[in-house]
Amino acid sequence: EPEVTQTPSHQVTQMGQEVILRCVPISNHLYFYWYRQILGQKVEFLVSFYNNEISEKSEIFDDQFSVERPDGSNFTLKIRSTKLEDSAMYFCASTGTGSPEAFFGQGTRLTVV
Amino acid sequence: AQSVSQHNHHVILSEAASLELGCNYSYGGTVNLFWYVQYPGQHLQLLLKYFSGDPLVKGIKGFEAEFIKSKFSFNLRKPSVQWSDTAEYFCAVTAGTGTASKLTFGTGTRLQVTL
Repeated sequence: EPEVTQTPSHQVTQMGQEVILRCVPISNHLYFYWYRQILGQKVEFLVSFYNNEISEKSEIFDDQFSVERPDGSNFTLKIRSTKLEDSAMYFCASTGTGSPEAFFGQGTRLTVV
Repeated sequence: AQSVSQHNHHVILSEAASLELGCNYSYGGTVNLFWYVQYPGQHLQLLLKYFSGDPLVKGIKGFEAEFIKSKFSFNLRKPSVQWSDTAEYFCAVTAGTGTASKLTFGTGTRLQVTL
């Protein structure tokens, strides 16, 4: 069964450092998403991406965040200068053209110290 | 913008008890509805979904949910819970008929099943 894969599974970084979270969506999907879940809180939408550009972003997705699809398979989330409050689980998801069902990756736990 | 409310934040049940978790959404147009489960330390897994048709949908592991349009609700049910159902349950909605809509999640319900 096709799946969304995310790397790394856990990343620890120092405050102020840049991090890049990586995702490989399902191969024939065209819509890609990043969500965030701070410990003990709900899952929040960050950004959606289609046709090599951002289609929607939330208030959380400020100038410190960026997304990119550098090649035909990877979808990355970059945080330019991490803050303590960026510590969270980050989930990547993708949807195809025939269904609104999103398939989620296993997440990257980001810890900013 | 759409929003999702889950009124039960923490539910404790004994094994074999029946479960109903409430979910209400606010959005005036067409919606797609989902329940996701998150077992401790794991990622989100889809339990069931509703796009259209029969408002009673059956999912994995014996779960079902009923879409009641007039009440803007999509409650999750299971007749007899097991200890292994201990997890966090999230209701979510996408708005519209397209496939590119973001998911809006509720705050989640933590279910604890005791032996």
